[in-house]
Amino acid sequence: DTGVSQNPRHKITKRGQNVTFRCDPISEHNRLYWYRQTLGQGPEFLTYFQNEAQLEKSRLLSDRFSAERPKGSFSTLEIQRTEQGDSAMYLCASSLSFNSPLHFGNGTRLTVT
Amino acid sequence: GEDVEQSLFLSVREGDSSVINCTYTDSSSTYLYWYKQEPGAGLQLLTYIFSNMDMKQDQRLTVLLNKKDKHLSLRIADTQTGDSAIYFCAEKNNQGGKLIFGQGTELSVKP
Repeated sequence: DTGVSQNPRHKITKRGQNVTFRCDPISEHNRLYWYRQTLGQGPEFLTYFQNEAQLEKSRLLSDRFSAERPKGSFSTLEIQRTEQGDSAMYLCASSLSFNSPLHFGNGTRLTVT
Repeated sequence: GEDVEQSLFLSVREGDSSVINCTYTDSSSTYLYWYKQEPGAGLQLLTYIFSNMDMKQDQRLTVLLNKKDKHLSLRIADTQTGDSAIYFCAEKNNQGGKLIFGQGTELSVKP
């Protein structure tokens, strides 16, 4: 299967710790998106990359959040000093071009205790 | 601003048709999408429609778009228990291409 891959699937961490998630997009997809989904809600946009350039960040993305895509392939999303409100499913998606549909990974579920 | 709204729940009997409705606000959206999410999983792309189309059919799925009213619907024919899931409507934002999602409609299919 060559879909979008996200690791880890689940992460439990204590409040105040830092966590990092990884997303491997579909090969040759130059656009990569991060979303956050809380229980009972639709996915909310966080940020997106075109190749290695981060072109947009949502105001949901506080200073504690940072995302990178250093070589235009995989991406990482880091959350520093986690808070209980960060508990959510973090979804990654990729697309071939602006007009192409987004294909999602299975997400990383973060629980902050 | 951009907003996408859906009804939260729909319950149907197996074999009936299901119709899930969605309204959106961005009249400049070029594409509208339907995704399916099963428990604990990511979003699966079901189908999408370009804004200059009124209808698109793909096997058991029919998408209807009323651009004047900014209304989108997804009809699932011969609904099966395996169709039970949450269905999300999304519009494509023309600045950057990100998707704006609705809250999702939980479809429950009773045998």
